[in-house]
Amino acid sequence: DAGVTQSPTHLIKTRGQQVTLRCSPKSGHDTVSWYQQALGQGPQFIFQYYEEEERQRGNFPDRFSGHQFPNYSSELNVNALLLGDSALYLCASTRGVAAEKLFFGSGTQLSVL
Amino acid sequence: RKEVEQDPGPFNVPEGATVAFNCTYSNSASQSFFWYRQDCRKEPKLLMSVYSSGNEDGRFTAQLNRASQYISLLIRDSKLSDSATYLCVVSRRSGSARQLTFGSGTQLTVLP
Repeated sequence: DAGVTQSPTHLIKTRGQQVTLRCSPKSGHDTVSWYQQALGQGPQFIFQYYEEEERQRGNFPDRFSGHQFPNYSSELNVNALLLGDSALYLCASTRGVAAEKLFFGSGTQLSVL
Repeated sequence: RKEVEQDPGPFNVPEGATVAFNCTYSNSASQSFFWYRQDCRKEPKLLMSVYSSGNEDGRFTAQLNRASQYISLLIRDSKLSDSATYLCVVSRRSGSARQLTFGSGTQLTVLP
């Protein structure tokens, strides 16, 4: 039973660049949520995708966008990278938007120089 | 004010000690509560749910006080392997979905 997988595991970018992170949910799950975790902080909710639509969004600027594919996998795109975007980006999957037990991937560590 | 607040620690305790973590939440509409465990820069994993009546899972006991909007986690007989960051998580309804909010975490180091 495949868990949540994320790629890449590490990424280094420079200010102003754009980045795409990828996530495949746990088998049987159809909902994907993205979180940003800065050093020393808890995960902050970015947005949630279900049925290929953004269903909820946290307090993040429009530079952060996403997509969900018919196979339930998802991408997180960040444009015009800032130094403050350096963080661990976590993907979590659930079965349905109302599920509360999150299954996390191991994350993508993004460093913006 | 943050929606979920935790004492960041760090808590450094000897093996075998009992340690308690506290968490407060500000939104009275919060409905469900959880503790997650996160090892250094790895993904958070669900440790236990928190029920109004309190619940226990081996050496771990979680308590909820809705009137005070307060959640606690007690770890008895601490093991070296308990060293991690413990995240308090609060869930509330958001339309037809659930909105989960994480605290900043409390860091625990169990010393030999």
